[in-house]
Amino acid sequence: DTEVTQTPKHLVMGMTNKKSLKCEQHMGHRAMYWYKQKAKKPPELMFVYSYEKLSINESVPSRFSPECPNSSLLNLHLHALQPEDSALYLCASSQDREGTDNEQFFGPGTRLTVL
Amino acid sequence: GQSLEQPSEVTAVEGAIVQINCTYQTSGFYGLSWYQQHDGGAPTFLSYNALDGLEETGRFSSFLSRSDSYGYLLLQELQMKDSASYFCASDSNYQLIWGAGTKLIIKP
Repeated sequence: DTEVTQTPKHLVMGMTNKKSLKCEQHMGHRAMYWYKQKAKKPPELMFVYSYEKLSINESVPSRFSPECPNSSLLNLHLHALQPEDSALYLCASSQDREGTDNEQFFGPGTRLTVL
Repeated sequence: GQSLEQPSEVTAVEGAIVQINCTYQTSGFYGLSWYQQHDGGAPTFLSYNALDGLEETGRFSSFLSRSDSYGYLLLQELQMKDSASYFCASDSNYQLIWGAGTKLIIKP
């Protein structure tokens, strides 16, 4: 299984809602990532988990809260988002952060719209 | 600061060869990756260069010169399905630093 899955595919939420994005991989990868991508821009790193521990947090607002329940799962909890947070949220995984090529496998993304 | 520069757009003809250049200025550099992303899709890994020289994978090749802080992606025998955005990304300090992306437009 060389797939990263993400749910939901699309999410529309109001600024007062609480929602969660989910990501799963069964490749035995030990590093998992959350990215945010705006249209016509490169992916922007938000969080990195390595061996289930948060290792990088790129100064992301606290309205985004990551969670890694186990080595296969990664969640992103959303609360009190702003319209400018509307974007494609991508999850990725890699063998580990210090792999020889650090190839990252991306999920299909969650298209988030904040009203 | 850390940055990668690549052309914003490249146009080529089906069946031709195209080269997408990338220059980088990053600290803790380990290697250069290339990713392809179709509109509405997720990035997919194409290649990685840690050492100087050319890496070939089918119709795609990637080159790195560490002394020049420069790399390129070469796409041969272009097909319409190669129309996509191509990102170079520097593997630096255990994370990817991404270029802004090059939109490849292929004409019949």
